[in-house]
Amino acid sequence: EVQLVESGGGLVQPGRSLRLSCTTSGFTFGDYAMNWVRQAPGKGLEWVGFIRARAYGGTTRYAASVKDRFTISRDDSKSIASLQMNSLKTEDTAVYYCTRVRYINGLIDAFDMWGQGTLVTVSS
Amino acid sequence: DIQMTQSPSSLSASVGDRVTITCQASQHITKFVNWYQQKPGKAPKLLVYDASNLETGVPSRFSGSGSGTDFTFTINSLQPEDIATYHCQQYDTLPITFGQGTRLDIK
Repeated sequence: EVQLVESGGGLVQPGRSLRLSCTTSGFTFGDYAMNWVRQAPGKGLEWVGFIRARAYGGTTRYAASVKDRFTISRDDSKSIASLQMNSLKTEDTAVYYCTRVRYINGLIDAFDMWGQGTLVTVSS
Repeated sequence: DIQMTQSPSSLSASVGDRVTITCQASQHITKFVNWYQQKPGKAPKLLVYDASNLETGVPSRFSGSGSGTDFTFTINSLQPEDIATYHCQQYDTLPITFGQGTRLDIK
């Protein structure tokens, strides 16, 4: 059974840092891109960024709202994806979901598996 | 950025009804649209990918269609367990963007 479990959320003051982890099991982690999506309270879904599989360069892409503050990394030996969040702002308050990203014909396709989410609250 | 205009933002329908949700992209995106279902307090779940392909295990009452800029998601014969918010998503061009969601409840 495929599982993605986020951890590391909590209350943090503006300007501080937080690191989220996504521990996975049940699939060959290295074959997939991994991705983060967030959802502010009562709002819609917002793409945060992804990291490609190593076979596709392991490169990262980010939304403009988090670029230069957030960093996505992966440890294929442990099947873990991480989201390092620096210089946090109150508007970063959201539930953060880790997702698996499927490739079709070498191109990123759908977010086919999701974790349960972890809440990050940025407040003084 | 590509804007995904989803409508309606909410709707109420009866069990057995046919429900249609639309998403209009601000520019041509071929077929690169996915649809997700999010039940209250839960993570989203992929239902339809590449505009019209049903994800494995998803009931056949769900379907998607469209190409270019106009996309449609349909539930034939609404069931009580379909109460959820539905989101469209484009992945033609970065940044990946979502519609604002459609909240569906039972009359």
